[in-house]
Amino acid sequence: DSGVTQTPKHLITATGQRVTLRCSPRSGDLSVYWYQQSLDQGLQFLIQYYNGEERAKGNILERFSAQQFPDLHSELNLSSLELGDSALYFCASSDGANGGWQFFGPGTRLTVL
Amino acid sequence: ILNVEQSPQSLHVQEGDSTNFTCSFPSSNFYALHWYRWETAKSPEALFVMTLNGDEKKKGRISATLNTKEGYSYLYIKGSQPEDSATYLCAFQNRDDKIIFGKGTRLHILP
Repeated sequence: DSGVTQTPKHLITATGQRVTLRCSPRSGDLSVYWYQQSLDQGLQFLIQYYNGEERAKGNILERFSAQQFPDLHSELNLSSLELGDSALYFCASSDGANGGWQFFGPGTRLTVL
Repeated sequence: ILNVEQSPQSLHVQEGDSTNFTCSFPSSNFYALHWYRWETAKSPEALFVMTLNGDEKKKGRISATLNTKEGYSYLYIKGSQPEDSATYLCAFQNRDDKIIFGKGTRLHILP
């Protein structure tokens, strides 16, 4: 158990819908990272937040957005969902701002039908 | 274009043997290099990280070398055990904190 929690574990929805994935980092960690694992793309970095502020952006689509709240939990919002958004979404946390040792959560499996 | 390449794609090693595999990454704008172990149906687990300022952290029987000028890293596993069977991912982090993963090396330990 890494100490990072993600909810829900599984999510099934339809194209065009909007969903929110939630992540709680390890106690004391200020950075949260979001990653997408799809079958054909491997693990892709989406976005990083540090202490409530956006720190770095990867290959995140404009239909996706994220935020980190004062209690340091983070939410990833996915809208106008397409079939290709079906993937495993991981959240990770670390104590510092610049990458470092990251602890991954168990992931949320999103299926778009 | 940022690209991280790992080789081999797959590797079979006898239990007790030592092994290593390669990650190549862009040689410019380096900030950190990460190695992860990823077992089926689990989450990636950090094994090794080395940053530009030389900070290094590693875990267990794993060791790694890093050449930032030529853009490559080797991950070494000494005395392979069955529990080492997993996919090993390399991730390059640049100074803009963008992180790029390779596609991994799938390691199979043969009893």
